[in-house]
Amino acid sequence: DQQVKQNSPSLSVQEGRISILNCDYTNSMFDYFLWYKKYPAEGPTFLISISSIKDKNEDGRFTVFLNKSAKHLSLHIVPSQPGDSAVYFCAASAGGSQGNLIFGKGTKLSVKP
Amino acid sequence: KAGVTQTPRYLIKTRGQQVTLSCSPISGHRSVSWYQQTPGQGLQFLFEYFSETQRNKGNFPGRFSGRQFSNSRSEMNVSTLELGDSALYLCASSPLAGGPPDTQYFGPGTRLTVL
Repeated sequence: DQQVKQNSPSLSVQEGRISILNCDYTNSMFDYFLWYKKYPAEGPTFLISISSIKDKNEDGRFTVFLNKSAKHLSLHIVPSQPGDSAVYFCAASAGGSQGNLIFGKGTKLSVKP
Repeated sequence: KAGVTQTPRYLIKTRGQQVTLSCSPISGHRSVSWYQQTPGQGLQFLFEYFSETQRNKGNFPGRFSGRQFSNSRSEMNVSTLELGDSALYLCASSPLAGGPPDTQYFGPGTRLTVL
């Protein structure tokens, strides 16, 4: 049973437009959510996070929105750039600890020039 | 500061063999976690070590084991390899156990292929 779901395996966006990546979770004990970016042959790189006490966190071109009632979070990238092309993983933890992060299966983002 | 290093980067084994993977955390980091990435299951948590003690364990069979040394380096071992163990094995380090998840840094992974 998947506790963190990324229902879109892939997403294609034009350069300069907004990319929206979605993530749903089922465990109400999750209190910290993260987005990672992964290029081929490299490990995931931390992108942005949000605590369950917030509903939005922004860092440059990246914004994460959290809707606790819907158990849904999204990552917005504005404007999208070709270098953003990668696989994006959503992850969640309970108790705010890095041990035992639960990951989604990832969404492959392609940003076309 | 050097990042998390994993050796070897690529490995080919046959069914029934055993394998040991190594992870050197970022200097000063004392917590090491291991994850398995497969196309079907995505990234799954294996275990976490801190100060040579296993703190957390994921839902994997006993064939998967690990340890951490006094210098924080960690190894994971898989015995009696099965075809389904083919995966990218990722190691992540962080300064302390129980800290915020965004203090965790991943290595490039070891690609294990079981034939």
